[in-house]
Amino acid sequence: QQNVQQSPESLIVPEGARTSLNCTFSDSASQYFWWYRQHSGKAPKALMSIFSNGEKEEGRFTIHLNKASLHFSLHIRDSQPSDSALYLCAVMPNYNVLYFGSGTKLTVEP
Amino acid sequence: DMKVTQMPRYLIKRMGENVLLECGQDMSHETMYWYRQDPGLGLQLIYISYDVDSNSEGDIPKGYRVSRKKREHFSLILDSAKTNQTSVYFCASSLQGEQYFGPGTRLTVL
Repeated sequence: QQNVQQSPESLIVPEGARTSLNCTFSDSASQYFWWYRQHSGKAPKALMSIFSNGEKEEGRFTIHLNKASLHFSLHIRDSQPSDSALYLCAVMPNYNVLYFGSGTKLTVEP
Repeated sequence: DMKVTQMPRYLIKRMGENVLLECGQDMSHETMYWYRQDPGLGLQLIYISYDVDSNSEGDIPKGYRVSRKKREHFSLILDSAKTNQTSVYFCASSLQGEQYFGPGTRLTVL
């Protein structure tokens, strides 16, 4: 079973800031890496995923993956109040099972 | 638009009562999941279903059972509910690794 840890537990940033969220995992054989976002009282929804070492950018969001360090991260450029949510990282050792971290609660203040 | 539904959305039961949570999806996804979400613990996998009558235990199956008689419908059953089963329960289905979550059921066991 995967051990997936997220840091920090919570984060408050001003609007327009660059935000970084971190995730570590325990199984170096993991294949796929995801970030999910969950607004308060809503369902989690997939934000981005990455499958190989390196970086992937989609709009204001960038994922970095370093399998050797057992670490991946999510960076948000020009953070907006609408980005305020619980961010869950998840590791997928195979195509069917996701192991989630406990989440980082992000608050972006106007 | 891919859609996962859950019923009921809110439920209050007394300890020892039976509980039935229902989940539906209109995408013909083979794989479906039941999770529970508690503060600070992220999403914990209860059961995974690979198709009709093909179910496997997740990380925390004790006290739960599932039923899947049609591909589009997946039920979670709590026989004799306990107070520590108070939680928010999410159903999900998956396609090509991405999981699509329902809106959740908030269950309170008194």
